[in-house]
This record gives sequence, C-alpha cells and structure tokens, in this order.
Amino acid sequence: ETGVTQTPRHLVMGMTNKKSLKCEQHLGHNAMYWYKQSAKKPLELMFVYNFKEQTENNSVPSRFSPECPNSSHLFLHLHTLQPEDSALYLCASSQDERGHEKLFFGSGTQLSVL
Amino acid sequence: DQQVKQNSPSLSVQEGRISILNCDYTNSMFDYFLWYKKYPAEGPTFLISISSIKDKNEDGRFTVFLNKSAKHLSLHIVPSQPGDSAVYFCAANTGGFKTIFGAGTRLFVKA
Repeated sequence: ETGVTQTPRHLVMGMTNKKSLKCEQHLGHNAMYWYKQSAKKPLELMFVYNFKEQTENNSVPSRFSPECPNSSHLFLHLHTLQPEDSALYLCASSQDERGHEKLFFGSGTQLSVL
Repeated sequence: DQQVKQNSPSLSVQEGRISILNCDYTNSMFDYFLWYKKYPAEGPTFLISISSIKDKNEDGRFTVFLNKSAKHLSLHIVPSQPGDSAVYFCAANTGGFKTIFGAGTRLFVKA
C-alpha cells in the first residue's frame, strides 16, 4: 500500500462516453501528478498540480481535463477519447523537495477505448 | 525525442549473480536521477536515487553509479534474487516537478 489510491482499476469506454478517473493520496503531500504509460513506451507526464495549482500541462489534448479540488484529490475527466488513448493512467504524489521529489504512485487505471 | 533511454528492453540473470541495468540521458541539465521498480498490476515504487554531485550511491544490495561525462547511469543489484524480477525505470529531473522516465527494462532473475 503506497498511500495513493486510484479508482477504477479497469475502465472500458466508447469514444462518445464521458468518464472520470479518481486519485486520492493519504500521505500529506502537496503535489499530485497524472502520468500515462502506453505499451513499451516511457511514462509520459501529463499534468502536475502543486498546492491545487496546475504547474505543468505537457501539451495534453483537451479531451483530457484534470481537476484538483484539494491537495489530497485529483481527477482526470475523459471525453470523446480515441482508441490510441488506451493506456495505463498512473496518479502520483510527492512532497516538494526542490526538484528531488520521490514520486509515490497508485496502482493505475487500465483504460481501454473502443 | 527521448531524453532518458533504456536500450535494453529485458535482462535475464541467474539468482545470486549481479544484475546491471543501464540508462543513458541526453539533457545535461538533469541534476537528480532515480530508479523505480514496478511489479505487474502495481504502480512504480521508488528504489534509489543519486544527485549529480555524486558518482555513487549505495543502499543494501542496490548501488547506482553516475558517469556525468558519458551521461550514463547504471543500477547494480548484488546478489540478485527472484523477487527482484520486475520492470525497472530510470528517471531524471532538472529541479522542478517534471520527472522524465525511460521506457523500462524487464529483469528476470532465474532461480
């Protein structure tokens, strides 16, 4: 148990659906992240929030919409996704250590877009 | 363009022997490097890190070596155990919240 909980673990959705991924951390960290892992590719940073403020948006398409209501919760709202968006979506948190952050990851949501 | 590269997709090692996982990077501004380990159906977990002001960091069976002139780092596991079988990710950071990961190397430790 890493202290970062993601739901759901698996999600299958059609291209016209709207769904949301949820992440919650119980570590008292101030930064939260969304990463995408496609098969045999590096983990790809999508968004970073520090103290609820978005500090990174790594040129992510607008069909992915993040929301961070507080330092413990992070959502990723999905709409009109494409089949190539099928991947493992990982949430992580960290304490601000001036660039020496160690990320604590959840178990991920395996997303399949049909 | 991948700034962090792990050129070996997989590595197989006999139990008790040394495992050496390699990582190359292109961005000379990286000043902090990390290794993460991932088991199936779990998220990556932090393993060991090294600052650019050092060339070696050791934690039990795990040692990370950094060669800044070659822009290369490696993770040594001695002795390797079957429970070490996992995917290992190399990662690097320039001082902000943006950690860049490699594609991972899958390690198989045979009993």
